[in-house]
Amino acid sequence: RKEVEQDPGPFNVPEGATVAFNCTYSNSASQSFFWYRQDCRKEPKLLMSVYSSGNEDGRFTAQLNRASQYISLLIRDSKLSDSATYLCVVNGRDDKIIFGKGTRLHILP
Amino acid sequence: NAGVTQTPKFQVLKTGQSMTLQCAQDMNHEYMSWYRQDPGMGLRLIHYSVGAGITDQGEVPNGYNVSRSTTEDFPLRLLSAAPSQTSVYFCASSRLAGGPIDTQYFGPGTRLTVL
Repeated sequence: RKEVEQDPGPFNVPEGATVAFNCTYSNSASQSFFWYRQDCRKEPKLLMSVYSSGNEDGRFTAQLNRASQYISLLIRDSKLSDSATYLCVVNGRDDKIIFGKGTRLHILP
Repeated sequence: NAGVTQTPKFQVLKTGQSMTLQCAQDMNHEYMSWYRQDPGMGLRLIHYSVGAGITDQGEVPNGYNVSRSTTEDFPLRLLSAAPSQTSVYFCASSRLAGGPIDTQYFGPGTRLTVL
């Protein structure tokens, strides 16, 4: 099993819709979880951390399921500007930071 | 506050040439790392460092060397460039609190083409 796995997409979603995607991780000892956003030909930037109890930032909600070893990202009322690649990040063994390959999201007008 | 800087932004090399990609951060971060990103693929870890004088290999270290003589700088050296090293290279840094990893800050990337 890969350390971090994401559905590559693309997810093609109409503007205003709700979209969710998951990321699974293999290291049960992982403690740090993040979602990053990467626009085309740009560097990744932090979208939000993922806390054990789940957390929300405006239209974005992140959840952690330790039992099943996955994190999720929910985007409500999607905007055209949400079109990007979303990267899941988990800390692995020996202080390594593991990035998923990303999920591409296209918001359609 | 410059954050993470990378130079050059673009580079074209011929097969067999060597070069160094520069990365510097001014946030006093202990953790620094180099990734490469190829079209349609995710970020792959090349090398990383948890502090000055300490480096370790990531997922794809072959063909690359690193050193960490200061907290601020983490250069990546291509020993003998090959076309397979054509990629976008990102440097990143973060605090390392001895436990969970903190937010990664990325440089703008270096787009390298090897002919």
